[in-house]
Amino acid sequence: NAGVTQTPKFRVLKTGQSMTLLCAQDMNHEYMYWYRQDPGMGLRLIHYSVGEGTTAKGEVPDGYNVSRLKKQNFLLGLESAAPSQTSVYFCASSYWDSPNTGELFFGEGSRLTVL
Amino acid sequence: AQTVTQSQPEMSVQEAETVTLSCTYDTSESDYYLFWYKQPPSRQMILVIRQEAYKQQNATENRFSVNFQKAAKSFSLKISDSQLGDAAMYFCAYRSNNDMRFGAGTRLTVKP
Repeated sequence: NAGVTQTPKFRVLKTGQSMTLLCAQDMNHEYMYWYRQDPGMGLRLIHYSVGEGTTAKGEVPDGYNVSRLKKQNFLLGLESAAPSQTSVYFCASSYWDSPNTGELFFGEGSRLTVL
Repeated sequence: AQTVTQSQPEMSVQEAETVTLSCTYDTSESDYYLFWYKQPPSRQMILVIRQEAYKQQNATENRFSVNFQKAAKSFSLKISDSQLGDAAMYFCAYRSNNDMRFGAGTRLTVKP
């Protein structure tokens, strides 16, 4: 039972390079999220999706793009990486309907370093 | 926008003692959920406890319990009989509709 899987787990980029983080969930969840975690700032929502083919902006969407072409996958893209995007990225998914009470299930995180 | 505030960046507790972590939030919604997540050094986010805003009774999960004060918008976590394995970052989280927001976290140290 894989749950939420993120790839890659670690990546080092040079400023200006592009990359895509992949999130896959096997729980048939409608909702998927991308967060970034920085020291002293908790988890901040980048983008989210409430279903296949939908995306929406969160708190800190600038510099990121997302796509949800398949229900089980949620991709996070960096078109031109900047050092400020050095962070740990978490993907999460959830149901919303009762009785599941909205709990988020998280991946293990992806550490991205931009030099 | 909803905000979640954890005013204690770090807390320390002696093994077997009790510790309370504080959390306040700001919202205009009446229907929402509150959570405490634990993040050990492994980085995995683990759900500790959840509370539905429409329930007046405070949630309890074994050694973990909450003090939910809806009018005060306060949601504290009490850990009883602290164990070494409780050492971690603890995040308070608020969820309403599609959005879920987290506090900055409290690092809990457990002293043997």
